[in-house]
Amino acid sequence: DAGVTQSPTHLIKTRGQQVTLRCSPISGHKSVSWYQQVLGQGPQFIFQYYEKEERGRGNFPDRFSARQFPNYSSELNVNALLLGDSALYLCASSSNYGAGNTIYFGEGSWLTVV
Amino acid sequence: DQQVKQNSPSLSVQEGRISILNCDYTNSMFDYFLWYKKYPAEGPTFLISISSIKDKNEDGRFTVFLNKSAKHLSLHIVPSQPGDSAVYFCAASPRGGSEKLVFGKGTKLTVNP
Repeated sequence: DAGVTQSPTHLIKTRGQQVTLRCSPISGHKSVSWYQQVLGQGPQFIFQYYEKEERGRGNFPDRFSARQFPNYSSELNVNALLLGDSALYLCASSSNYGAGNTIYFGEGSWLTVV
Repeated sequence: DQQVKQNSPSLSVQEGRISILNCDYTNSMFDYFLWYKKYPAEGPTFLISISSIKDKNEDGRFTVFLNKSAKHLSLHIVPSQPGDSAVYFCAASPRGGSEKLVFGKGTKLTVNP
């Protein structure tokens, strides 16, 4: 069975540009969340979506937005990119919403902002 | 303010011995804890979890212990194998159904043959 898949795996953008990252959850999983991991740190929560509704938002500026589609896939958008947005962006999925669910991560999208 | 702390950036053990990775948390609202393993250029891989109603959970070579009064958990790997060499992250989930995991900074484990 396919795990969480993310695209693109690597990309380079210029300051001020916009980026869209894509995620397909594990088949049957309805919850998708996004995390940012910068070098030397643990992943930091950005968003969670369940059944196409936002269920949680981390401490990130409004330049970050996301959505979930009817097939439960998701996109993360970042506008007006800054150098500090360079990071590994991780998508995770779980079967249901709520504490106690195992959350599975994809391999991530490496974003470099120059 | 770091709510989940892994105070040891690195740990080195001999193959066959026990590896003990530690994690402390400050937020009493956390009630579910997970450990993830991460190899370079890969996403975190789920290892084991524990609910706050338990104090121990075992899965093969991996055991997680939770001490709620001390707000401390540990991951024991016995016996350690060279393939266990990776960065290990402790993560905590708050009550109320949120899946907002709060991660520590990770501990790099090296298992020497």
